[in-house]
Amino acid sequence: DAGVTQSPTHLIKTRGQQVTLRCSPKSGHDTVSWYQQALGQGPQFIFQYYEEEERQRGNFPDRFSGHQFPNYSSELNVNALLLGDSALYLCASSPRFGFSSYEQYFGPGTRLTVT
Amino acid sequence: AQSVTQLDSQVPVFEEAPVELRCNYSSSVSVYLFWYVQYPNQGLQLLLKYLSGSTLVKGINGFEAEFNKSQTSFHLRKPSVHISDTAEYFCAVNRDDKIIFGKGTRLHILP
Repeated sequence: DAGVTQSPTHLIKTRGQQVTLRCSPKSGHDTVSWYQQALGQGPQFIFQYYEEEERQRGNFPDRFSGHQFPNYSSELNVNALLLGDSALYLCASSPRFGFSSYEQYFGPGTRLTVT
Repeated sequence: AQSVTQLDSQVPVFEEAPVELRCNYSSSVSVYLFWYVQYPNQGLQLLLKYLSGSTLVKGINGFEAEFNKSQTSFHLRKPSVHISDTAEYFCAVNRDDKIIFGKGTRLHILP
């Protein structure tokens, strides 16, 4: 059973560019959450998707947007990249209902470097 | 308001010695608590979780934690650490379906 997968592993972009990160949830999970982990910090919640809609959002600007597909996979898009967007981006999945919904399974992350 | 506080940013400990990593949570939040480990240049791995039931929770790699409601704490312990335990450890809480993380504690194993 594959866990949460993310692509690409690493990415280098230039300021002002746009980037798309991808995530496939763990089998049986329908909810996907995205987190940003800056160097030396704990992960920060960006947003959460289920039923193909954004359901919750953390304190991130509109430059950060996302999408969820019918197969529950998800994309994170960041426009007009800033140097401060350099971070490890983590995707997490969980089932929507049931006791297991309180736990989120994390992928290996995508390391984004903005130059 | 901060939901999770990790009291130590770094903890040095000798190999084979016991270790305790401290975590306190805000009493206003739901008590679904987690400890994650992050090895250098890797993602997050769940060590253990408290959702309900016994307050002593056993996890992987010999770690355990105790949920203490009166002290609003969820400290992580291991009786004997190994060099391979060198990593960043994050205490976290599920709050409104979001995982809120502490700032992390770096465990440094001394030879």
